[in-house]
Amino acid sequence: AAGVIQSPRHLIKEKRETATLKCYPIPRHDTVYWYQQGPGQDPQFLISFYEKMQSDKGSIPDRFSAQQFSDYHSELNMSSLELGDSALYFCASSREGENEKLFFGSGTQLSVL
Amino acid sequence: AQTVTQSQPEMSVQEAETVTLSCTYDTSESDYYLFWYKQPPSRQMILVIRQEAYKQQNATENRFSVNFQKAAKSFSLKISDSQLGDAAMYFCAYRGFNDYKLSFGAGTTVTVRA
Repeated sequence: AAGVIQSPRHLIKEKRETATLKCYPIPRHDTVYWYQQGPGQDPQFLISFYEKMQSDKGSIPDRFSAQQFSDYHSELNMSSLELGDSALYFCASSREGENEKLFFGSGTQLSVL
Repeated sequence: AQTVTQSQPEMSVQEAETVTLSCTYDTSESDYYLFWYKQPPSRQMILVIRQEAYKQQNATENRFSVNFQKAAKSFSLKISDSQLGDAAMYFCAYRGFNDYKLSFGAGTTVTVRA
């Protein structure tokens, strides 16, 4: 069965650089979520989109932005990267009406040097 | 805001034995979902079990079962007949019925001894 696809799997950036993370949800899933998991920490909700509109917002820094496109894939754009942004970034997807059935991607490991 | 508390940072269990992980949560909502996720060293987030708050019957998935005590706001996970592959970090998570976001606990690391 198709799963949530995230790219890239690993990303290394320097401080103050920009990064773009991509997420391709499971086919027919219309809702995507982004989570950030720092080393040794629990995942923290960043933002979610339903039908290309922001549906909820968590602890996402102003330096970050995200959007969902017409094909339902989503991108998380991170600018002016800081050392503290080093984390595992998860994308998850679900279908409206079945949002309790959340499926996670394998994550993108971002390292900021 | 909802908070999820996992009071056991680490648990160790002998292979084939049973281990119970505790989770408590705080909410003012009456309808919500509770989850247990497993995160092995690969760091993939894997759903172990899900419980709807309106269901009194405790959820069960093979060797995994929960003890859901709504009044006490408690949601423990029991792993029976533990296997080496069960070794992982386990996160308890809460989602409000009309919410999009999951709130996670701090996690419990489970070690399985051969």
